[in-house]
Amino acid sequence: DGGITQSPKYLFRKEGQNVTLSCEQNLNHDAMYWYRQDPGQGLRLIYYSQIVNDFQKGDIAEGYSVSREKKESFPLTVTSAQKNPTAFYLCASSRNQETQYFGPGTRLLVL
Amino acid sequence: AQSVTQPDIHITVSEGASLELRCNYSYGATPYLFWYVQSPGQGLQLLLKYFSGDTLVQGIKGFEAEFKRSQSSFNLRKPSVHWSDAAEYFCAVGARAAGNKLTFGGGTRVLVKP
Repeated sequence: DGGITQSPKYLFRKEGQNVTLSCEQNLNHDAMYWYRQDPGQGLRLIYYSQIVNDFQKGDIAEGYSVSREKKESFPLTVTSAQKNPTAFYLCASSRNQETQYFGPGTRLLVL
Repeated sequence: AQSVTQPDIHITVSEGASLELRCNYSYGATPYLFWYVQSPGQGLQLLLKYFSGDTLVQGIKGFEAEFKRSQSSFNLRKPSVHWSDAAEYFCAVGARAAGNKLTFGGGTRVLVKP
């Protein structure tokens, strides 16, 4: 069964803590993306990766970091430098940088 | 830089009535255009896309959209709405020259009255 999985579904972060959101795909897609969605707003691009071991900043990269060591995986770390991390985070992937397909999302809440 | 505007934040429609969601974009070249739908707490599902060719595109769930270059629009339509169409709808434009980074509109929430 092909698709994009994100875990966990809910994540709680304490003050000063780094947390990592997982995104895995078995679609053999080259490109992967991370978006942030705030209530009542559209999606904003955080980071994207077109090939393994390479990634670029999106529009709102400050306070976030990523890695792309494997084609299937593109984890996002929300660092303590991100002062307003509460949001819904969506991962996407695409083949040949065309249509993006989305995972189910992770909701991050601050304790 | 590309941008997308969805002028209607909320739309309420009766079940069985027609639906049209507006989308206007700004992009210097011929864009990739997409419509996605999102149910509460879920990811985005692709409804349809336009890359080139026929400007009227058909999608899933009975939706269609028309690309009008002269108006920089890509409006989404459905002839007869079902209660299950209640959701949030996002229009997005992709930049061909930049790895198809998507820029999203703010979304339109559709409520369906019985």
